[in-house]
Amino acid sequence: KAGVTQTPRYLIKTRGQQVTLSCSPISGHRSVSWYQQTPGQGLQFLFEYFSETQRNKGNFPGRFSGRQFSNSRSEMNVSTLELGDSALYLCASSFGRGRGNTEAFFGQGTRLTVV
Amino acid sequence: GESVGLHLPTLSVQEGDNSIINCAYSNSASDYFIWYKQESGKGPQFIIDIRSNMDKRQGQRVTVLLNKTVKHLSLQIAATQPGDSAVYFCAENAYLGGSYIPTFGRGTSLIVHP
Repeated sequence: KAGVTQTPRYLIKTRGQQVTLSCSPISGHRSVSWYQQTPGQGLQFLFEYFSETQRNKGNFPGRFSGRQFSNSRSEMNVSTLELGDSALYLCASSFGRGRGNTEAFFGQGTRLTVV
Repeated sequence: GESVGLHLPTLSVQEGDNSIINCAYSNSASDYFIWYKQESGKGPQFIIDIRSNMDKRQGQRVTVLLNKTVKHLSLQIAATQPGDSAVYFCAENAYLGGSYIPTFGRGTSLIVHP
């Protein structure tokens, strides 16, 4: 079956701009989580969506937001970009029901560079 | 804040050796732990998981050990192969709001020499 698809793979933006990243989960998965990966901070949890609702959120400023559509596809948005937002943004999908079926499958990520 | 840390940022081994990657966690509420492998240019890949009611779990060539007393887990890879070269992350997970919230370690780079 198709894996998690993230688009675009690479993106260059200017400080102050905003950006939208997209994630298509594995068919049947209803949970989508987003992560930021940087050399300095490692892999950090941004937020998780399940059935179009944000279920959990990490410690990131309000400039980072997301949403999920009825087909489970998800987008994340970063407004007023800062140089420090340069990172690999990963999404992962899972069935997301309770404490079982917890294995998450990651996409290849979107490499965002802010100049 | 609470965090997960790794003792060794880089581990170099010879092909055929056994590898051990260690991880310390700090959140006593974490009850689910996962090891991931990340190859260059790819997203993390699930390797093996373990729940807090277990202290050992085995997979194909991999074993995860969990010591809740000292909040430590390890990943053992038997007969390490060049294809095992990657960055390995541990993640502790606390259950909150209907799902697990992960906190990741910084990663250990495993280099396997042929």
